[in-house]
Amino acid sequence: TQLLEQSPQFLSIQEGENLTVYCNSSSVFSSLQWYRQEPGEGPVLLVTVVTGGEVKKLKRLTFQFGDARKDSSLHITAAQPGDTGLYLCAGSSGAGSYQLTFGKGTKLSVIP
Amino acid sequence: DSGVTQTPKHLITATGQRVTLRCSPRSGDLSVYWYQQSLDQGLQFLIQYYNGEERAKGNILERFSAQQFPDLHSELNLSSLELGDSALYFCASSVGGNGGETQYFGPGTRLLVL
Repeated sequence: TQLLEQSPQFLSIQEGENLTVYCNSSSVFSSLQWYRQEPGEGPVLLVTVVTGGEVKKLKRLTFQFGDARKDSSLHITAAQPGDTGLYLCAGSSGAGSYQLTFGKGTKLSVIP
Repeated sequence: DSGVTQTPKHLITATGQRVTLRCSPRSGDLSVYWYQQSLDQGLQFLIQYYNGEERAKGNILERFSAQQFPDLHSELNLSSLELGDSALYFCASSVGGNGGETQYFGPGTRLLVL
């Protein structure tokens, strides 16, 4: 069974601070996705990374896929209250596997 | 709005009962996925249907079953409910059958078993 460990589990920071959350596994994934989920809603896809070492930027969010495709990180610059939410990583092993494996998430609170 | 609809939004029932959750995928999407989200287990994949047929099975209990109808909407049936079945149940849809592609999630059904 493939597992994705996310850290930290909870994070509370002041507006304007930078932060990094991590997603780690002992398994190799063909692709990895990051989602954000707000209370009472379903997860919304932020980005998909597929190549080892890949870096993608989405405004103040920077996503990196590890060289070995076993881990990923999400860095947020100058966090804003609107960034508050649950950040989930999900991996696909590809090659005939049709399901996503989700981490338990990092719950981020950005305090104004 | 993801385009995926789920009903009902909230459901309260008693142990031993049976409930049906309904999902309508985005227009044009052929795959429907069901997930269970609880505080301790996180988001767990239950089952996937593609164009009316079961494509993949995850951690779905034998008391749970699902189907996808010709109009592509799907239903998740939960029977002999236990307290531990209380959770958020999400449906997601995607264009094709590859689970690694972009999945669009519905707003979820919150189930409370008393």
